[in-house]
Amino acid sequence: TQLLEQSPQFLSIQEGENLTVYCNSSSVFSSLQWYRQEPGEGPVLLVTVVTGGEVKKLKRLTFQFGDARKDSSLHITAAQPGDTGLYLCAGAMDSSYKLIFGSGTRLLVRP
Amino acid sequence: DAGVIQSPRHEVTEMGQEVTLRCKPISGHNSLFWYRQTMMRGLELLIYFNNNVPIDDSGMPEDRFSAKMPNASFSTLKIQPSEPRDSAVYFCASRRRDGSRSAGYTFGSGTRLTVV
Repeated sequence: TQLLEQSPQFLSIQEGENLTVYCNSSSVFSSLQWYRQEPGEGPVLLVTVVTGGEVKKLKRLTFQFGDARKDSSLHITAAQPGDTGLYLCAGAMDSSYKLIFGSGTRLLVRP
Repeated sequence: DAGVIQSPRHEVTEMGQEVTLRCKPISGHNSLFWYRQTMMRGLELLIYFNNNVPIDDSGMPEDRFSAKMPNASFSTLKIQPSEPRDSAVYFCASRRRDGSRSAGYTFGSGTRLTVV
């Protein structure tokens, strides 16, 4: 059983479309991070959210941490082929810095 | 900054053989993590070290797996004997343990292990 469930698992969209990826849990996290992973490489950190209700923007990407710190979402506006990859959410439950990763959302943006 | 360096990038070995994966964390990072990634199970934490001391190895699958960190700049993950079900991509990641909740992990490029 995954502690962090991501949805959808797979997403194939046309360039220019918007999309939202969800990361849900029944557990409370002290912080939550989003990573993007490309084939043959390790995950790369996109953002960290630490406060319930926090919203962070990174160009066309908007990240939100739920008020109860149990869930998060990633919204991409006007997706581009360069956004293609595996998106992973990861939560830390305490000060141990041990990250638990979600199941991942595999995104394909078609030109 | 060369990032987290893992070797080898690819390893193909026969069942029963010993396999050693290596990792050099980023200088100044005092937490090191070993993860395994498969399509079925995603990214699983195997073990992590703080200041070269193993803190949590509850994710290590069984006694065939062992990890060491003899100094701040080097860690190994050993599988002996290896089995086909160990085939996966193994990642090493490091982080500066400074009390900040915002600092993320820096991952290496991984070692793709195939046991035949």
